[in-house]
Amino acid sequence: AQTVTQSQPEMSVQEAETVTLSCTYDTSESDYYLFWYKQPPSRQMILVIRQEAYKQQNATENRFSVNFQKAAKSFSLKISDSQLGDAAMYFCAYRRVLGGANNLFFGTGTRLTVIP
Amino acid sequence: DSGVTQTPKHLITATGQRVTLRCSPRSGDLSVYWYQQSLDQGLQFLIQYYNGEERAKGNILERFSAQQFPDLHSELNLSSLELGDSALYFCASSQGQGKNEQYFGPGTRLTVT
Repeated sequence: AQTVTQSQPEMSVQEAETVTLSCTYDTSESDYYLFWYKQPPSRQMILVIRQEAYKQQNATENRFSVNFQKAAKSFSLKISDSQLGDAAMYFCAYRRVLGGANNLFFGTGTRLTVIP
Repeated sequence: DSGVTQTPKHLITATGQRVTLRCSPRSGDLSVYWYQQSLDQGLQFLIQYYNGEERAKGNILERFSAQQFPDLHSELNLSSLELGDSALYFCASSQGQGKNEQYFGPGTRLTVT
């Protein structure tokens, strides 16, 4: 079964600085998707960024980028120029591509605090 | 706004009761997923429907059931409610089954007293 591990329950960052959130996963499949979701205090789940396993290039969305290390099964999220609005829970998620269920498997989340 | 709607936003009910949560997917999306977020279990997949048919089951209790209607909206039925069923229930939708992102609704906060 797929498992997703986020080993940092809490992180903090100074406004305008850069922070990296860690995620590792376990799978026997060669093709899959990885995601980072943000959950602010409103509880809405917001898709931040997605990575396709067969693509070697790391995904980037404005201030958000990932470091995808397929061999190490590592998928970290880097937030540059942190803003107060980035404060939220961040969830790493895995989804298979081929056959069967393609639901999301989530990690336990990292709570990010942004210090003004 | 993801385009996925869920009603009601909040629900307070007593143990032993039955409730129905409703989800309308984004226009054009055929797949609906239900997830439960609780303090002790985290975010867990419950069940998926695709174009009216059940496609996959996760950690869904036998007391829970769901369906997807011809207009593609979905309902999650929770019965014989227990205190431990208190959680945030999310619905997500995607276009198909493969390479599409899942977009989440705002969730329904269920409190069982």
